[in-house]
Amino acid sequence: DSGVTQTPKHLITATGQRVTLRCSPRSGDLSVYWYQQSLDQGLQFLIQYYNGEERAKGNILERFSAQQFPDLHSELNLSSLELGDSALYFCASTKVDSSNYGYTFGSGTRLTVV
Amino acid sequence: GQQVMQIPQYQHVQEGEDFTTYCNSSTTLSNIQWYKQRPGGHPVFLIQLVKSGEVKKQKRLTFQFGEAKKNSSLHITATQTTDVGTYFCAGGGSQGNLIFGKGTKLSVKP
Repeated sequence: DSGVTQTPKHLITATGQRVTLRCSPRSGDLSVYWYQQSLDQGLQFLIQYYNGEERAKGNILERFSAQQFPDLHSELNLSSLELGDSALYFCASTKVDSSNYGYTFGSGTRLTVV
Repeated sequence: GQQVMQIPQYQHVQEGEDFTTYCNSSTTLSNIQWYKQRPGGHPVFLIQLVKSGEVKKQKRLTFQFGEAKKNSSLHITATQTTDVGTYFCAGGGSQGNLIFGKGTKLSVKP
């Protein structure tokens, strides 16, 4: 157990639907990062939050949005889902807002869009 | 934009053989990190290199950071079946996030 909790572990939904993925960072970590991992693809950075504020944005589609709540958990909302959105979605956390610390990843949410 | 390239994409070795994966960046990196993802698992942080020319060892794993801080390598001596997985390098991005390479998938034949 890495200390980063992601729910649900698996999600199957139909095209056009909307889903919410949840992430609770490791205790004491203020920064949350979301990554998408498709088959044979690396980890694509989506978005980062630090202590409730958006800090960095990567290749995140307009149909996707995220937020970090006062208790520091984060949610990634994916809407108007397409088949190509099927992927593993990881969140990771660090204590501070910096790439100089190793990320602790959660076990991921596997999203299948049918 | 900033990119981190990793080669090879796949490597198949016989148990006991050595393995090396290489990582190259289009820009100078402030630091480089390495992660291992076992099949069906999540990436796990292995190590971070910060200084030019830095070399660090973890048992059979040797990590190097290039003099120009634009490339790095991970070398595994005498691979074991427990080394199976995908190895990712990641460099610090301009926004403070990590930019990951596509990874090298290592398979080990017993």
